[in-house]
Amino acid sequence: QLQLQESGPGLVRPSETLSLTCTVSGGSIRSSSHYWGWIRQPPGKGLEWIGSVYYSGSTYYNPSFKSRVIISVATSENQLSLKLSSVTAADTALYYCVGTSWGSQYYLSDYWGQGSLVTVSS
Amino acid sequence: DIQMTQSPSSLSASVGDRVTITCRASHHISNYLAWYQQEPGKVPKLLIYAASTLQSGVPSRFSGSGSGTDFTLTISSLQPEDVATYYCQTYNSAPALTFGGGTKVEIK
Repeated sequence: QLQLQESGPGLVRPSETLSLTCTVSGGSIRSSSHYWGWIRQPPGKGLEWIGSVYYSGSTYYNPSFKSRVIISVATSENQLSLKLSSVTAADTALYYCVGTSWGSQYYLSDYWGQGSLVTVSS
Repeated sequence: DIQMTQSPSSLSASVGDRVTITCRASHHISNYLAWYQQEPGKVPKLLIYAASTLQSGVPSRFSGSGSGTDFTLTISSLQPEDVATYYCQTYNSAPALTFGGGTKVEIK
């Protein structure tokens, strides 16, 4: 059973870069059957997809973040990371690491970390 | 970009009631739609994919239907443990994902 665990600073200053790491256990991040990504949820609000990465390093980003976001994988460490630059208070959210199983007719975000709350404040 | 519109944004119903949530896509998405349940303070959980396929372990009182642009999630007999916010999500442009705004379900 795949397990995902986010880690990183809980407080980031405005204009700085938010950095989070997700460690995958119970399986390999090199799996060709999975995409890995980040979804965030501002307090009291809905879910927003930030972006995804395949083990090969191919990345896919929400256009709303494209100029500020980098998602990468470290296959030797079974980790993926998120970097979001030039943050503002609007980036305060619970950031989920998500593993997605995929096939020709489905794409299922069926593995979620517990979430990492990041607050942007001076 | 595809937009997903859910309605209502919240509802209150009695235990045993039939509850229906709708999700409308701004473009045709075939059946590339999933529903997620997020109980208060918890991580979202996949309920349904391909518009109508129940994820393993999900109670049979949950069902999904629709294709194209209009979809529904139905709880046939609302239970106290169903109090949650429900989100539709399209993976029509996977790996890109788009969520609906959510529907909060409460017990009357």
